[in-house]
Amino acid sequence: DGGITQSPKYLFRKEGQNVTLSCEQNLNHDAMYWYRQDPGQGLRLIYYSQIVNDFQKGDIAEGYSVSREKKESFPLTVTSAQKNPTAFYLCASSIGVTGLSQPQHFGDGTRLSIL
Amino acid sequence: GQQVMQIPQYQHVQEGEDFTTYCNSSTTLSNIQWYKQRPGGHPVFLIQLVKSGEVKKQKRLTFQFGEAKKNSSLHITATQTTDVGTYFCAGLRAYKYIFGTGTRLKVLA
Repeated sequence: DGGITQSPKYLFRKEGQNVTLSCEQNLNHDAMYWYRQDPGQGLRLIYYSQIVNDFQKGDIAEGYSVSREKKESFPLTVTSAQKNPTAFYLCASSIGVTGLSQPQHFGDGTRLSIL
Repeated sequence: GQQVMQIPQYQHVQEGEDFTTYCNSSTTLSNIQWYKQRPGGHPVFLIQLVKSGEVKKQKRLTFQFGEAKKNSSLHITATQTTDVGTYFCAGLRAYKYIFGTGTRLKVLA
């Protein structure tokens, strides 16, 4: 059954700690995205990747880092530099960014909170 | 900066009433997508509009893309309790999707 898997579902971070959110897809999609959603607000793009070993900053990349070593995996690290990390984090993928646009498929999300 | 605004932010309707949400961009969009997010869930793709002035229908849902490709609307006829959720538009510009602020719909039975 194809889809996007995000883990963990809930995550708690201590002050000064880095945490990594996992995102895995088996849809064979080239493009992957990380969004942040705050209560009652829309989705804001953190990072996106069009192809393996390449990624670009989105609108709110400060305090976050990513890697794209494998096509199916796009982990997001929330660093201690991100002073307000409490949010709902959504990972998405699509067939490709270039050419005709395609729908984005979302994972179930990770809720990150500060301890 | 690039912005996509949606109005209204919230809408409460009686079951059976119609509902419309509007999406407005400050810049021209290559295309626009609509998503629905149920409470506690993740966004699910509904439809994509590409052409200027395009209109698409899905059962009780009607989607429109403006002539200038800067605005879009989603209209639901005779709402049902299953329509509850937040509706987002997302406009494509320079390889990135810019999501609207969303309209949260509550349907009262």
